Amino acid sequence: EVQLVESGGGLVQPGRSLRLSCAASGFTFDDSALHWVRQAPGKGLEWVSGISWNSGSVVYADSVKGRFTISRDNAKNSLYLQMNSLRTEDTALYYCAKDKTIAAAGYFDYWGQGTLVTVSS
Amino acid sequence: DIQLTQSPSSLSVSVGDRVTITCQASQAISNYLNWYQQKPGKAPKLLIYDVSSLETGVPSRFSGSGSGTDFTFTISSLQPEDIATYYCQQNENLPPWTFGQGTKVEIK
Repeated sequence: EVQLVESGGGLVQPGRSLRLSCAASGFTFDDSALHWVRQAPGKGLEWVSGISWNSGSVVYADSVKGRFTISRDNAKNSLYLQMNSLRTEDTALYYCAKDKTIAAAGYFDYWGQGTLVTVSS
Repeated sequence: DIQLTQSPSSLSVSVGDRVTITCQASQAISNYLNWYQQKPGKAPKLLIYDVSSLETGVPSRFSGSGSGTDFTFTISSLQPEDIATYYCQQNENLPPWTFGQGTKVEIK
């Protein structure tokens, strides 16, 4: 069974940093691209960032480019999102999502339960 | 960026009814259109990818169609467990990959 378990969320002040983690199991980790997708409270879904199987391709939404960094450790079956210079508009539930492909093609076939990030003073 | 507009934003239907949701893209997106189901308090679930391909394990009452800029998602006979918000999503070419604003399906 595919499992994705996010952690690292919490309450943080504007301008500060936070690092999210996603622990994966139940599939061949380095056969899949991975993504972060977020959902602000009561709102829709917004794709944030994606990374290919070997970290050779990383992509970001314009709203986080230059502030967020996605990375993965295939030896630890883990995905990360380093979030710097956080803004109030980054407040959301952050989901880790698996891609159907190795190349970060934008198909989100499995999702974790999310970790909540609240940016507030 | 490619914008997706879903309609309606919400609908109230009876068990057994046919449900149809449309998704219009701001430009042609070939076959790169997917549909997700999100139940309250849960993560989204991929139901249909590439316009009409049913994800493994998804009941056949769910279907998708369309091309170019206009796409349709259908539940042939609504079941109580289908109460959810449904999102279309495009993955045409390069990111950003965008979602529609969602359609909330409720029981009448």
